[in-house]
Amino acid sequence: GENVEQHPSTLSVQEGDSAVIKCTYSDSASNYFPWYKQELGKRPQLIIDIRSNVGEKKDQRIAVTLNKTAKHFSLHITETQPEDSAVYFCAATDTGNQFYFGTGTSLTVIP
Amino acid sequence: GAGVSQSPSNKVTEKGKDVELRCDPISGHTALYWYRQRLGQGLEFLIYFQGNSAPDKSGLPSDRFSAERTGESVSTLTIQRTQQEDSAVYLCASSSWTSTDTQYFGPGTRLTVL
Repeated sequence: GENVEQHPSTLSVQEGDSAVIKCTYSDSASNYFPWYKQELGKRPQLIIDIRSNVGEKKDQRIAVTLNKTAKHFSLHITETQPEDSAVYFCAATDTGNQFYFGTGTSLTVIP
Repeated sequence: GAGVSQSPSNKVTEKGKDVELRCDPISGHTALYWYRQRLGQGLEFLIYFQGNSAPDKSGLPSDRFSAERTGESVSTLTIQRTQQEDSAVYLCASSSWTSTDTQYFGPGTRLTVL
């Protein structure tokens, strides 16, 4: 089955700096890669996703890149703000039947 | 419309008792997922329902865990003879047939087994 690894597990950045979180996957059949943000005590919320037919997607301060050859994808947050502090999860799936999640990255943005 | 809802929001039970957790997906969503999230951990897949197809139960950790879904509506996750290691937040998510890849999560049920 698929195996998703996520790094780093914790990340602290100064407000205004960029944050990058990386995930690797093992199953070349995976074709959909969502990213979720989970604030303390809240449900995971989809923030951005990418499909295997594109290499990059951007939504305001958030972007995701995908390298199918290397089987890794990354979340980029620019101009970080304190409200970006949360746990971020990456995931991968090939059919939508079963999603494989990374172990999460706890991001802290220091004001 | 309303999002995914789950009940109860919190459940405290004694070891050995059975518990039943409920998930109401977004109306019209044919796909429904259950996940377990232990404190400070990632999401662990438990079971997946899609329409009237046989569910994918490959993530259920033991035969004490079972889940049912009535058509394309409510789902219940049942844990029999609960153990302390079952303590976790149980999250439900649903997605539509036209976009099976985008999941919307419920708020979760926090289960504590004493």
